[in-house]
Amino acid sequence: AQKITQTQPGMFVQEKEAVTLDCTYDTSDQSYGLFWYKQPSSGEMIFLIYQGSYDEQNATEGRYSLNFQKARKSANLVISASQLGDSAMYFCAMRGRTGNQFYFGTGTSLTVIP
Amino acid sequence: DTGVSQDPRHKITKRGQNVTFRCDPISEHNRLYWYRQTLGQGPEFLTYFQNEAQLEKSRLLSDRFSAERPKGSFSTLEIQRTEQGDSAMYLCASSFSGTGLRNTIYFGEGSWLTVV
Repeated sequence: AQKITQTQPGMFVQEKEAVTLDCTYDTSDQSYGLFWYKQPSSGEMIFLIYQGSYDEQNATEGRYSLNFQKARKSANLVISASQLGDSAMYFCAMRGRTGNQFYFGTGTSLTVIP
Repeated sequence: DTGVSQDPRHKITKRGQNVTFRCDPISEHNRLYWYRQTLGQGPEFLTYFQNEAQLEKSRLLSDRFSAERPKGSFSTLEIQRTEQGDSAMYLCASSFSGTGLRNTIYFGEGSWLTVV
């Protein structure tokens, strides 16, 4: 069974500082994908960044980077230089080998303080 | 390039009524997914289509729920005899088939359902 765990219900960060949002996963698949999505209060899920299980380099996308530690089964999201607009829910998700389903964690609420 | 669109965005209905949601995916995508999200939870998979074929359904999808994608383009999700426990946001998403970054799912803005 696939499972995503996000242990931080809420996080606060000062504007312009960096923040790390934790995500651990459990799967028996050798091939899988890890994703992070942002959900503002409006409700839309916005794709941020992707990491494939065979990718040797950590993914980066602008101010977002993914700290992928395969042996520890963790895929933490790092947001650098936080902005007020980063305040939102953040969800970690995993796609298994077949690519048919995406499994989501319970999310972390990030608040950026001016 | 238009994204995934959903209609209606909000629906308030009385218990026992039927409701239908529509989803228009990104036009090049052959896969379409329905998810449900309740407060404080992540999205939960309901079902997905590849072209017009419904290939997988979650056990969450009771027999009151039915989804269609008749021509492999837009999809509808109907809930019959709504119950208060159906109150949630229903998210539609689409993607290419396969694996890798190309298989990333892109979501619509969701349809909020409130059953009173």
